Amino acid sequence: DTGVSQDPRHKITKRGQNVTFRCDPISEHNRLYWYRQTLGQGPEFLTYFQNEAQLEKSRLLSDRFSAERPKGSFSTLEIQRTEQGDSAMYLCASSSQGGAREKLFFGSGTQLSVL
Amino acid sequence: AQSVTQLDSQVPVFEEAPVELRCNYSSSVSVYLFWYVQYPNQGLQLLLKYLSGSTLVKGINGFEAEFNKSQTSFHLRKPSVHISDTAEYFCALVTSGSARQLTFGSGTQLTVLP
Repeated sequence: DTGVSQDPRHKITKRGQNVTFRCDPISEHNRLYWYRQTLGQGPEFLTYFQNEAQLEKSRLLSDRFSAERPKGSFSTLEIQRTEQGDSAMYLCASSSQGGAREKLFFGSGTQLSVL
Repeated sequence: AQSVTQLDSQVPVFEEAPVELRCNYSSSVSVYLFWYVQYPNQGLQLLLKYLSGSTLVKGINGFEAEFNKSQTSFHLRKPSVHISDTAEYFCALVTSGSARQLTFGSGTQLTVLP
């Protein structure tokens, strides 16, 4: 168990550029989540996958955001035409079961700075 | 809609002193409640959770929390803190009917002073 890993740890980009983040969940986990955390705030839910199916999307996930989990393993989150308001920590989490006893394991996040 | 309010953004406390981090929630349906800890440059880790049953929940690292339905609170406590407890603490909830959309509070930075 190597934990949830996210790449890159930090990303600096210019406004209007596209960026893509990667998340590798714990290998046997079939559920994967993306959250966004801005400075001074708690994480906010963005989207949720069960295997390769994207089952929930927050209204925070505008049409500039797209997430995929093509083979039910790693996931990518792409932001097109970045804006300064996209600057945040993007967190990925995974779990192996649902229901009340589900336990999420979080990665260390990707810190995005849009200049 | 549900929400979580953490009343203190920063809590400084001396080593070996007791600490209480406050959390209040709002929801029109039943909830499950959680406390997570985030150490610098690390991911969020689950400290403890309340699902049902006993209102006093014990977690890792000597922390405990008490669910109070009438007060809609879930305060986190530790009788004696250590320097290593310095971290950001987040209270969170999920409604029992949701598909695991955790709603987090804004966090409390606990700083343990020598």
